[in-house]
Amino acid sequence: NAGVTQTPKFRVLKTGQSMTLLCAQDMNHEYMYWYRQDPGMGLRLIHYSVGEGTTAKGEVPDGYNVSRLKKQNFLLGLESAAPSQTSVYFCASTDASYNEQFFGPGTRLTVL
Amino acid sequence: DQQVKQNSPSLSVQEGRISILNCDYTNSMFDYFLWYKKYPAEGPTFLISISSIKDKNEDGRFTVFLNKSAKHLSLHIVPSQPGDSAVYFCAASGMNRDDKIIFGKGTRLHILP
Repeated sequence: NAGVTQTPKFRVLKTGQSMTLLCAQDMNHEYMYWYRQDPGMGLRLIHYSVGEGTTAKGEVPDGYNVSRLKKQNFLLGLESAAPSQTSVYFCASTDASYNEQFFGPGTRLTVL
Repeated sequence: DQQVKQNSPSLSVQEGRISILNCDYTNSMFDYFLWYKKYPAEGPTFLISISSIKDKNEDGRFTVFLNKSAKHLSLHIVPSQPGDSAVYFCAASGMNRDDKIIFGKGTRLHILP
């Protein structure tokens, strides 16, 4: 099993450009999450999903959109990137919210 | 308002000694607590957890202690090894299926030779 995979691993964008980060999991997990990690800020929840076709806002959702069209995939979109969105993005999945989350390797995004 | 606090950004411990990482929380509805370990350029990985009905959980060199009245938990690593050098995140959640996990800011542990 690949676990949780993220595409791409690195990306550099210019302000105003758009992009989509893809997260895929092969563990049949119901719950999927997108976090961002910034220096001194820990992991902050952007959006999450409790099942196929459902999404919900986390702690820092502004400037991001998500979709969960298939159970195994969770997409994070940036419609108009800003330098404040420079960060490392982690996707995670779990079979119940209070169980351990399995994290992907991260996507390092730089917005110039 | 931080619900999960790790007040020590970093900690240095001699190899072979005990490492103690601390975590405080403010939300009395939290029922489940987890520790994650993160190496540079990798995603966090689950280390150990504890539910609120227990006050201690042990897994090899790692032990988590929970003091509900003080809203405090700690992770003990004995003996500390070089491979333990990493960032450790404390996390907390309720026990409802849809409760979110709240992470602390992390503590960077350095194991000194």
